Amino acid sequence: KAGVTQTPRYLIKTRGQQVTLSCSPISGHRSVSWYQQTPGQGLQFLFEYFSETQRNKGNFPGRFSGRQFSNSRSEMNVSTLELGDSALYLCASSIGTANTGELFFGEGSRLTVL
Amino acid sequence: QKEVEQDPGPLSVPEGAIVSLNCTYSNSAFQYFMWYRQYSRKGPELLMYTYSSGNKEDGRFTAQVDKSSKYISLFIRDSQLSDSATYLCAMSGGSNYKLTFGKGTLLTVNP
Repeated sequence: KAGVTQTPRYLIKTRGQQVTLSCSPISGHRSVSWYQQTPGQGLQFLFEYFSETQRNKGNFPGRFSGRQFSNSRSEMNVSTLELGDSALYLCASSIGTANTGELFFGEGSRLTVL
Repeated sequence: QKEVEQDPGPLSVPEGAIVSLNCTYSNSAFQYFMWYRQYSRKGPELLMYTYSSGNKEDGRFTAQVDKSSKYISLFIRDSQLSDSATYLCAMSGGSNYKLTFGKGTLLTVNP
């Protein structure tokens, strides 16, 4: 069974640009969550989608957005990139509701903003 | 006060040692308690999962939850080189559809 797939794995952008990250969940999983991981702040919750609906959003500015498609695949977008957006962005999927804790993570997309 | 506090370490132990990792939390609504392991340049993987208070054992790993003290622990017995990783505690509860993570403890097991 294929795991969670995130693309691209690595990317470099400059300040002011925008970026779109993609996540394909495990087949049959309907919930997709996104987290930002940095050395200073650790893993911080961005948002969670279930059946194309955003059910919760973390404390990030409106420059961070996401969506989920009918096949459960998800994308997140960051506009007007800032240096502080450099991080590992992790996607996780689960069969049902994400708050029971059994999340399966992808390997992440490492974003560097110059 | 942060919702979840975890000593970042780093922690260095010899092979075969017993390792104790801990987290404290402040949110009484938390009901699900997890430990994730993250190897360098990989995503976290679920290691242990506990609902409410009590102990859970899986091979060399034991997870303990003390809700009255808002304290969770992970014990690793007979530590092995392959246990070298960052260990993240995580917890959730209610209907907020997210996990709240500790910052992680970097563990190195030395030969």
